[in-house]
Amino acid sequence: QSVLTQPPSVSGTPGQRVTISCSGSSSNIGSNYVYWYQQLPGTAPKLLIYRDNQRPSGVPDRFSGSKSGTSASLAISGLRSEDEADYYCATWDDSHVVFGGGTKLTVL
Amino acid sequence: QVQLQESGPGLVKPSGTLSLTCAVSGGSISSYNWWCWVRQPPGKGLEWIGEIYHSGSTNYNPSLKSRVTMSVDESTNQFSLKVTSVTAADTAVYYCARGGTGWIDPWGQGTLVTVS
Repeated sequence: QSVLTQPPSVSGTPGQRVTISCSGSSSNIGSNYVYWYQQLPGTAPKLLIYRDNQRPSGVPDRFSGSKSGTSASLAISGLRSEDEADYYCATWDDSHVVFGGGTKLTVL
Repeated sequence: QVQLQESGPGLVKPSGTLSLTCAVSGGSISSYNWWCWVRQPPGKGLEWIGEIYHSGSTNYNPSLKSRVTMSVDESTNQFSLKVTSVTAADTAVYYCARGGTGWIDPWGQGTLVTVS
């Protein structure tokens, strides 16, 4: 049981916009930055969003992050087949990092 | 640009100790703050194991704290992980990475450790 709650799966068609939610509490999301990671099949995770809504260099602006209270969201617009992957949120909680359970994005 | 590479035995016996090393290249381990380990059981999600500052300070996952030890060797630009009293539940791909407080980037390619 993960401290951060994500939907197990989401899906969308090419060009569509999808969102992935990450729900936490006041001790984690409510008081710390949220990070998002993308894990393509068979590869290591990659940092996608840092400090709630910042994109590392090289990450397309189709990916955006937001946070409100104790919940955060990752939005992917203009969905592409190569976005099919697992997505994880993460944050700090009482001197350790916690991850969400992960969301599998399927591009139909 | 910093790159990380995990190394260590791929098979560990139950009740034994899992030992992994992460070699850092493209930069000095002392130039950055925190270094961490994350694991992923087959077909499951990510689990943060812990982090170590280049000076040696550590933070561990409370669920693993009693069995985990991390260390850093600035002379060889490496950091290490030990997990004692392993069981089948410790079977996972183990990743080393740079980062602390949740900001983890970049990651090593990962190494599968099987407990059997």
